[in-house]
Amino acid sequence: ILNVEQSPQSLHVQEGDSTNFTCSFPSSNFYALHWYRWETAKSPEALFVMTLNGDEKKKGQISATLNTKEGYSYLYIKGSQPEDSATYLCAFNSGNTGKLIFGQGTTLQVKP
Amino acid sequence: NAGVMQNPRHLVRRRGQEARLRCSPMKGHSHVYWYRQLPEEGLKFMVYLQKENIIDESGMPKERFSAEFPKEGPSILRIQQVVRGDSAAYFCASSAQVPVAYGYTFGSGTRLTVV
Repeated sequence: ILNVEQSPQSLHVQEGDSTNFTCSFPSSNFYALHWYRWETAKSPEALFVMTLNGDEKKKGQISATLNTKEGYSYLYIKGSQPEDSATYLCAFNSGNTGKLIFGQGTTLQVKP
Repeated sequence: NAGVMQNPRHLVRRRGQEARLRCSPMKGHSHVYWYRQLPEEGLKFMVYLQKENIIDESGMPKERFSAEFPKEGPSILRIQQVVRGDSAAYFCASSAQVPVAYGYTFGSGTRLTVV
C-alpha cells in the first residue's frame, strides 16, 4: 500500500513568519511529486510538479525541494501572509500514469 | 476558459436512490480523474478515464459505482442504491496529457449527502 504522509497536520503562525512542511512518500517507483494549495470552499490549485531528485521550484514566496532517494519533499513559505492560509497537499505519482496518492494535507493559518 | 465544471454542487439523495455526478473537463483536456473525500479524510483516487476508455479504476468500489467519459459530453460518476457511507465530496480533475507536467486542474466538487 502506497502511503503519503504530511506533517505537521496543522500550523498556526503570525504574519511575517516563515514556515515549512514535510511530505514523505515511497522512494521506489517514483515518477513525480505534486504540491497543491487548497483554500476553503475552493478547488485544489496546482503549485508545483517535481520529477527530478534535487529539484527546487519557486513561485513567489513559496518554494519546494525534492529528495527522491530518501522519499521526502519540503514546502517553504517565506514571510507568510494571511492570504497564504490554506491546506497544502502533496501527492505522489508512481509510474507513468495519471493516478495521484494524496497526503492528508497541512492546514496553515496565518494570523495578522 | 471556464475550467473544470462539476454539477451539481450539492446533491441530496435518499438511501437506495441513484446519484449522478457530472464533470466537464477543461477545454482541450482529454484525461479525467475522479477523487473522493470522505469526512475527516484526504482525497482518495477513484478512477482515471480518457475519452471513451477507463484507464485505471483501481480506487472504485467494486459494486454500485461506475464511471464513463463518452466521446461527446461530460464524464459521469454514477452511484447506484446509495448508502449513508457514500456521503462525501467528489472531485473531478482533468489534464491535457499524461504524464502531467503542470498539475491537474480540479473542479469545485460535488457534495453528496445521503439521508
